[in-house]
Amino acid sequence: SYVLTQPPSVSVAPGKTARITCGGNNIGSKSVHWYQQKPGQAPVLVVYDDSDRPSGIPERFSGSNSGNTATLTISRVEAGDEADYYCQVWDSSSDHLWVFGGGTKLTVL
Amino acid sequence: EVQLVESGGGLVQPGGSLRLSCAASGFTFSSYEMNWVRQAPGKGLEWVSYISSSGSTIYYADSVKGRFTISRDNAKNSLYLQMNSLRAEDTAVYYCARAPGRGVIYGMDVWGQGTTVTVSS
Repeated sequence: SYVLTQPPSVSVAPGKTARITCGGNNIGSKSVHWYQQKPGQAPVLVVYDDSDRPSGIPERFSGSNSGNTATLTISRVEAGDEADYYCQVWDSSSDHLWVFGGGTKLTVL
Repeated sequence: EVQLVESGGGLVQPGGSLRLSCAASGFTFSSYEMNWVRQAPGKGLEWVSYISSSGSTIYYADSVKGRFTISRDNAKNSLYLQMNSLRAEDTAVYYCARAPGRGVIYGMDVWGQGTTVTVSS
């Protein structure tokens, strides 16, 4: 079963850059997607296919993926970015074909 | 407006059954693959089931295989999840999510607001 590992929490001051990592075996060979989930709300796709943004997502959100680590980068962090963030991949060898990371709580100080 | 609206959640006793529905609007439902994803209280996201646009290909997570059945009615723009033999660990918010191209490249790009299932005696 494929496992994605995220740090439980990341803290950042407003205006600074937040980086949230997602570790997985040879994750660089997979397409990684990132979701933002605010309390009481449904997840929202913020990055797909490692680094592409859906329409309506600010350019401040970007992604990269190489080796065993994918990274979601949020530039010029705002208070409204405070949320849980989940990475996700598709893995045909897993019992859960669509695998999610455990999530990272982003706190804006 | 592209929209997914779930319904059918509620309180059910262990061993009981429930049928969730997801009504789609604002897009050509029959062209898209769909998923059910759940989130237990205070926990992360867990994929539950997938169905292709025609309904011919279906997958389940091992945790629900043999107990849950996914289906769709493209004429009614609706997705369903029949849940039988429910357990306490099935307690969660259940989301339906659109997954163009299986979601492999494009992720799950549209989500419903979720419906809550509570399994308790």
